[in-house]
Amino acid sequence: GQNIDQPTEMTATEGAIVQINCTYQTSGFNGLFWYQQHAGEAPTFLSYNVLDGLEEKGRFSSFLSRSKGYSYLLLKELQMKDSASYLCAVAVQAGTALIFGKGTTLSVSS
Amino acid sequence: DTEVTQTPKHLVMGMTNKKSLKCEQHMGHRAMYWYKQKAKKPPELMFVYSYEKLSINESVPSRFSPECPNSSLLNLHLHALQPEDSALYLCASSRGGEVHETQYFGPGTRLLVL
Repeated sequence: GQNIDQPTEMTATEGAIVQINCTYQTSGFNGLFWYQQHAGEAPTFLSYNVLDGLEEKGRFSSFLSRSKGYSYLLLKELQMKDSASYLCAVAVQAGTALIFGKGTTLSVSS
Repeated sequence: DTEVTQTPKHLVMGMTNKKSLKCEQHMGHRAMYWYKQKAKKPPELMFVYSYEKLSINESVPSRFSPECPNSSLLNLHLHALQPEDSALYLCASSRGGEVHETQYFGPGTRLLVL
């Protein structure tokens, strides 16, 4: 079976740093994606990792360890608008759809 | 441009109605997807079209019927739906045929079945 785990909820304050973890056990692996989804809106692509290591994009960074089946999304200098659900998703093989984790709801307070 | 458009944004229908959801992209993508998302749940795959051919059908009830008229368009025809089908229906697209692809999502159609 396919299993992707991430925490259900996290809270943080403006200006802080937060790390959202994701672990996966899937039948195959062709990359891991992070999406941001605000309530009632579509998921927006944040990052993609297929090789081990850290990918940095402005305030957001994503890390992957394939041997550990582990990824994290790091958000720096948090802003109120970062309050959203963050979805970890795995492409099991090329050309197939994504398998999503249940998402982590992040609440940023002032 | 990474835009996927969907119409309508909202749809209310009765259980005897027939309606269609539409999705369009002009990025030259050759893979298109339909996902269903219930409240506070992750998106779940329904259908995948690759080069206008249905490649994955995740055992979706026949009251949902996908159609891919051309490489830019994807429809989802709805007939005799149930109240439990109420959800956000998301369309996504990706390049198609490549080893590593990113899927881009449309804004979704929020469907309410009465």
